[in-house]
Amino acid sequence: NAGVTQTPKFQVLKTGQSMTLQCAQDMNHNSMYWYRQDPGMGLRLIYYSASEGTTDKGEVPNGYNVSRLNKREFSLRLESAAPSQTSVYFCASSARTGSVYEQYFGPGTRLTVT
Amino acid sequence: AQSVTQLGSHVSVSEGALVLLRCNYSSSVPPYLFWYVQYPNQGLQLLLKYTSAATLVKGINGFEAEFKKSETSFHLTKPSAHMSDAAEYFCAVNTGNQFYFGTGTSLTVIP
Repeated sequence: NAGVTQTPKFQVLKTGQSMTLQCAQDMNHNSMYWYRQDPGMGLRLIYYSASEGTTDKGEVPNGYNVSRLNKREFSLRLESAAPSQTSVYFCASSARTGSVYEQYFGPGTRLTVT
Repeated sequence: AQSVTQLGSHVSVSEGALVLLRCNYSSSVPPYLFWYVQYPNQGLQLLLKYTSAATLVKGINGFEAEFKKSETSFHLTKPSAHMSDAAEYFCAVNTGNQFYFGTGTSLTVIP
């Protein structure tokens, strides 16, 4: 049981390049999330997917697109990377236990855009 | 709207001293509250959660937190800091399948 996995772990892009961050979970969770973490700003939600086939914008969706490929996988795409997208990206999934959801996080992708 | 405020972006304590990390929440409904810990270059790991079963919640690594509705607080404490507690700590509130995180508190433990 690997939990939530993310690839790649590190990436350096030039401004204008595109890339896709991959995320997969093997816990059969319905909900999945993409966050970015910047110093002093905590975690900010980019997009989330409540279930397979649905996606919704979070707090900071501009410049990103997502695909919920199936129940296991949720990818994040940067079409034209900008230096402002330099950040650490975390994928998470959540399960409902009773009336509360509990999130599980991947190890993160450290992205630098030059 | 739900939100979380963590007072103090950096906290330093001596090894063996009390750890107190502050979290206040704003929620229009009874909240579910969490504390996560993030060690350097790692993802977030759940420390403990409040789900209304008990106001004093015990978590991993000797941490605990007390839910105080009158103060809208959920402060994290540990009686005696250990060097291995040095990390970033995040408070979060959960409503439905949405989570709202504080900006984090970096804990330094001084030997």
